[in-house]
Amino acid sequence: SAVISQKPSRDICQRGTSLTIQCQVDSQVTMMFWYRQQPGQSLTLIATANQGSEATYESGFVIDKFPISRPNLTFSTLTVSNMSPEDSSIYLCSVDADYEQYFGPGTRLTVT
Amino acid sequence: AQKITQTQPGMFVQEKEAVTLDCTYDTSDPSYGLFWYKQPSSGEMIFLIYQGSYDQQNATEGRYSLNFQKARKSANLVISASQLGDSAMYFCAMRDTGGFKTIFGAGTRLFVKA
Repeated sequence: SAVISQKPSRDICQRGTSLTIQCQVDSQVTMMFWYRQQPGQSLTLIATANQGSEATYESGFVIDKFPISRPNLTFSTLTVSNMSPEDSSIYLCSVDADYEQYFGPGTRLTVT
Repeated sequence: AQKITQTQPGMFVQEKEAVTLDCTYDTSDPSYGLFWYKQPSSGEMIFLIYQGSYDQQNATEGRYSLNFQKARKSANLVISASQLGDSAMYFCAMRDTGGFKTIFGAGTRLFVKA
């Protein structure tokens, strides 16, 4: 299994600013995933982050808006840049372990 | 392209009764995994059960079982003896073993009545 923590758990931000979300895993993992869950919606994959390489972004998500760092095998950050109210969502970090996928507790972001 | 469909936006069940949450999927990949997650109002995603495409037996985990019908491409979740704490959003998900990407259905909100 894997235990994932995220910081911050929630934040209220003003439009035009940026927020960096941290994800820490209690074991070394090859791939980390970042998801967005807009209000009342399902989860949408933003990008896959491998240590030592550029993140792979899904259609509709770009690096300038959602830069990701993956400095080692237990840590990653996602930045939501130049925020607008449409970015208000829960952002979840996820990892694979033993054929299961584990999620962090999420970061609940509100942009005003 | 892969796709997961959950056609029940909301379901009601009486406490202590069983309930089935529907999930159908579409993929051309012969090797894939199917998952169910529970998301309570707190927002956390709780892993419930996993079924591999080559598994011969239906997966079971306590009160949760997965009714896997490969030919029909369905992976329904059965919750036995429902409890009030089962009230939550439930997501069906699929991952192809080659791409390591997981896609999620729209979800079903389950309400358990006392």
